[in-house]
Amino acid sequence: AQTVTQSQPEMSVQEAETVTLSCTYDTSESDYYLFWYKQPPSRQMILVIRQEAYKQQNATENRFSVNFQKAAKSFSLKISDSQLGDAAMYFCAHRGRGAQKLVFGQGTRLTINP
Amino acid sequence: DAGVTQSPTHLIKTRGQQVTLRCSPKSGHDTVSWYQQALGQGPQFIFQYYEEEERQRGNFPDRFSGHQFPNYSSELNVNALLLGDSALYLCASSLPGIYGYTFGSGTRLTVV
Repeated sequence: AQTVTQSQPEMSVQEAETVTLSCTYDTSESDYYLFWYKQPPSRQMILVIRQEAYKQQNATENRFSVNFQKAAKSFSLKISDSQLGDAAMYFCAHRGRGAQKLVFGQGTRLTINP
Repeated sequence: DAGVTQSPTHLIKTRGQQVTLRCSPKSGHDTVSWYQQALGQGPQFIFQYYEEEERQRGNFPDRFSGHQFPNYSSELNVNALLLGDSALYLCASSLPGIYGYTFGSGTRLTVV
């Protein structure tokens, strides 16, 4: 069974600085997808970035980028130039290529200090 | 473009009662998944519906059941509610073969 682990329950960063959130996962599959979701107080899960395991190039979306280390089963999220609106719970998630479900980690609460 | 709509937003029920939660998927999406998110935890997969059939189910008891209608909307039913069923219930919609999911804002269920 797939598992996703986020070892940082809480993180904080000064506005405009860079922060990295960690995620490790365990899977027996060779082809899968990885995601970072943001959940603000509004409760809606918002997709931040996604990575296909067969792609070696790390995904980037504006200020958000990932460091995908397939052999180490590590998938960290880097947020550059942090903004107050980035404050939220961040969840790492895995989905096998042939599977229907997302497997989520426990989440990291990110606080942005002005 | 309407996103995923869930109703109600909040609900309080008594132990032993039954509850029905509703979800309208994003326009054009035909697959609906349900997740349970306990306080301080990540969401847990309950089940997914496609073409009005349950396609995959997570590790949840039979008290949890669902339905998908011809217009792709879906219901989640929970019977014989327990205190431990108190959680945020999230609905997510998608298209087959597309690995991105769009989530709703959830229904907060409190069982007293």
